[in-house]
Amino acid sequence: DSGVTQTPKHLITATGQRVTLRCSPRSGDLSVYWYQQSLDQGLQFLIQYYNGEERAKGNILERFSAQQFPDLHSELNLSSLELGDSALYFCASSNWGGSDTQYFGPGTRLTVL
Amino acid sequence: DAKTTQPPSMDCAEGRAANLPCNHSTISGNEYVYWYRQIHSQGPQYIIHGLKNNETNEMASLIITEDRKSSTLILPHATLRDTAVYYCIVRNNNAGNMLTFGGGTRLMVKP
Repeated sequence: DSGVTQTPKHLITATGQRVTLRCSPRSGDLSVYWYQQSLDQGLQFLIQYYNGEERAKGNILERFSAQQFPDLHSELNLSSLELGDSALYFCASSNWGGSDTQYFGPGTRLTVL
Repeated sequence: DAKTTQPPSMDCAEGRAANLPCNHSTISGNEYVYWYRQIHSQGPQYIIHGLKNNETNEMASLIITEDRKSSTLILPHATLRDTAVYYCIVRNNNAGNMLTFGGGTRLMVKP
């Protein structure tokens, strides 16, 4: 158990819909990262937040957005969903968001029908 | 980040040491080697990391060659629960915080 929690575990929705994935970092960690793992793309970095502020951006679509709240939990919002957005979404956290080790949550499996 | 090359798959007998190689010939002096593994579709699990010295923890040992162009992750006594995809990642700890995952090595531990 890494100490990172993600909800929900599974999400099934239809094309065009919007969903919110939630992540709670390990106690004391200030930085949160979001990754997407699809069958054809592997594990890809989406975005990082540190203490409420966006720190780094990767291959995140404009239809996707994220935020980190004052209690340090983070949400990833996916809108106008397409079939290709079906994937595992992982959240990771680290203490200070630099060179420190990232610890991953169990993931949310999103299925878009 | 430097690119890594790993064999796509390996087998290991239960109880034997599993030696997983990784080539990173373009690694720079300030880039670390990280290893993670992913069991089935669970979240990636941190194993170990190092810069140039060999490292050991309760999970594994990391051997980095003197020229730092390759490394080996050693699981000393592999069990069936070590069956997973193992990712070798080279990371510049001074710039950029994201992890760049490649294809990894699918290790199958067999009884």
